[in-house]
Amino acid sequence: DGGITQSPKYLFRKEGQNVTLSCEQNLNHDAMYWYRQDPGQGLRLIYYSQIVNDFQKGDIAEGYSVSREKKESFPLTVTSAQKNPTAFYLCASHGPRVTGELFFGEGSRLTVL
Amino acid sequence: GQNIDQPTEMTATEGAIVQINCTYQTSGFNGLFWYQQHAGEAPTFLSYNVLDGLEEKGRFSSFLSRSKGYSYLLLKELQMKDSASYLCATLDSNYQLIWGAGTKLIIKP
Repeated sequence: DGGITQSPKYLFRKEGQNVTLSCEQNLNHDAMYWYRQDPGQGLRLIYYSQIVNDFQKGDIAEGYSVSREKKESFPLTVTSAQKNPTAFYLCASHGPRVTGELFFGEGSRLTVL
Repeated sequence: GQNIDQPTEMTATEGAIVQINCTYQTSGFNGLFWYQQHAGEAPTFLSYNVLDGLEEKGRFSSFLSRSKGYSYLLLKELQMKDSASYLCATLDSNYQLIWGAGTKLIIKP
C-alpha cells in the first residue's frame, strides 16, 4: 500500500540536542511538506520541497533544517536553535496537481524535557 | 493579511446534523479544502471546492460562496466516530495552503 511513513511516533529530547524526524513516501510524489501543529492553532508550514535537491522555507523555518536527496525522503532536523520545539510534526505530500489532496504521515510528537 | 476563522468547538448529538462554518480572507483564492483529524492522528481529506455551490459526498457535504468568503461542512446522521477536529484550508494566489485552527466536534449519545 502506498503512503507516508513518519518515525519516530514519539520522541523526547533534552534541551540543546538536535533531533531528526524521518519522512518516507512511496507515492511517487514530487511535492513534500513539513508542518508543525500546536493546540489551538492551524497547521504552520516549516519547509517544503517541490523537487529533489530543492526546498523552500515556510512560515516558521527558523531553528529547523531539511534535505531532499531522494524523491522518497524528506527528513526534518529540529536544531537546538528552535526555542520552543515541543509540538506535533506532520509530513505530507501531494501528486502532480497542486489542487490535489495532501496525504499525511501519522505524525511525530516531540517533547523537550 | 490572510485569515481563516472557524469555531473552536461544537457539540452535537448522535444521529443529528451539524454545520461547521469557515470564513476566510486570503490573497487570491484557488480553492478550499476540508480535512478531518482524529486526536493524535494525521488529517484525512474530506473535500475540495473551487466553484460556488454544494457538493455532496455521502453523509458529508461542503458548500462554498466565493463572494462571501464562506464555506461550511455539513455532517448528517452523526455517528460517534465523527468526533474529531475539522480543518478548513484555502489555497491562496501562490497555491500555498492557509490553515484554520480547526473545529473540535464532540458527539454525544
